[in-house]
Amino acid sequence: NAGVMQNPRHLVRRRGQEARLRCSPMKGHSHVYWYRQLPEEGLKFMVYLQKENIIDESGMPKERFSAEFPKEGPSILRIQQVVRGDSAAYFCASSTTPPRGVSTDTQYFGPGTRLTVL
Amino acid sequence: GESVGLHLPTLSVQEGDNSIINCAYSNSASDYFIWYKQESGKGPQFIIDIRSNMDKRQGQRVTVLLNKTVKHLSLQIAATQPGDSAVYFCAENFGSYGQNFVFGPGTRLSVLP
Repeated sequence: NAGVMQNPRHLVRRRGQEARLRCSPMKGHSHVYWYRQLPEEGLKFMVYLQKENIIDESGMPKERFSAEFPKEGPSILRIQQVVRGDSAAYFCASSTTPPRGVSTDTQYFGPGTRLTVL
Repeated sequence: GESVGLHLPTLSVQEGDNSIINCAYSNSASDYFIWYKQESGKGPQFIIDIRSNMDKRQGQRVTVLLNKTVKHLSLQIAATQPGDSAVYFCAENFGSYGQNFVFGPGTRLSVLP
């Protein structure tokens, strides 16, 4: 069973360009989460999606950032008009549907995409 | 606001000794906690989890203790090995949908030969 897959692993963009980060959850997982990690810091929650729905985007900047998880294909985190402050590692995690009566389930992480904005 | 923090940002232990990594959380409503290990250049790797209806849970060489009274979580690693060197994060379940996790800043564990 393949784990969470992310691509590209490394992405370099110039200021003003667009960055598209892809995440394929583990087989059987219908919940996807995106986190951002700055060097020497913990992970910051950005957005939580289920198939075709954004459930919680409270951690995502209101402008330039968007996320989707279409019925078919990977989840996409898109950053438009990137700035140097967007440079970070972006991690995707996935989980299965929690058992009945349980609030949540373990999240499994992908290897991350390291975005560098020049 | 809710926060998760760690008492020790760095920890150095001798190979073979036991390691204890601590974590404080502030959201008394949180009911699920996870410890992750992150090696350099890699994504967080699940180690062990615990729900709030438990005080202790054991895995292979790892034990997580939860003290809800003082909102404290700890990870114990027995017979620490060089391969245990990494940054360890605790994560607290948070959010109305029960899916939002708040991560602490992490503790770097260094295992000395």
